[in-house]
Amino acid sequence: DQQVKQNSPSLSVQEGRISILNCDYTNSMFDYFLWYKKYPAEGPTFLISISSIKDKNEDGRFTVFLNKSAKHLSLHIVPSQPGDSAVYFCAASWVQGAQKLVFGQGTRLTINP
Amino acid sequence: DVKVTQSSRYLVKRTGEKVFLECVQDMDHENMFWYRQDPGLGLRLIYFSYDVKMKEKGDIPEGYSVSREKKERFSLILESASTNQTSMYLCASRGTNSPLHFGNGTRLTVT
Repeated sequence: DQQVKQNSPSLSVQEGRISILNCDYTNSMFDYFLWYKKYPAEGPTFLISISSIKDKNEDGRFTVFLNKSAKHLSLHIVPSQPGDSAVYFCAASWVQGAQKLVFGQGTRLTINP
Repeated sequence: DVKVTQSSRYLVKRTGEKVFLECVQDMDHENMFWYRQDPGLGLRLIYFSYDVKMKEKGDIPEGYSVSREKKERFSLILESASTNQTSMYLCASRGTNSPLHFGNGTRLTVT
């Protein structure tokens, strides 16, 4: 049973435009969410996180939005750059620092010049 | 900068072989993890360890075991490799309230 779902396997965006990656979850006990980015032949790297007490967290070009009532989060990248082309995973846990993270299936983002 | 090192980038093994995947981290992290990554399934947790000699099952532990004799090293063992264990294996570590830091992965093929 997939508790964290990324329903778009791939997304293609023009350079300079906004990229929006979506993630849905089913477990209402999740209260900490993260995004990881993965390049080919490398391990995933942490990008940005958000606690359930917030609805938005921003770090440079990256913003994560959380809608708890809809059990939905999204990652916005503005403006998109070619180096942003990667696979993005969202993940959720019960509390910050919890041992287990539950990951989504990933979305492959391609930024076109 | 945290470094998580997985000993092999690529491995090819035969069905029935015993396989060891090794992982070392250099940041004195208490917690270490083994995930596998498969297309369409994302990252799934196999086992994790929160201290030396301590281990907990993740979501898909069947067919695997682990060993953590030293704080910096966490080994994943496939007791009798099968073709459905062909996958990308990712080791990770984390300290208290810090994000996961991943190694670069081991792509295992079982023939």
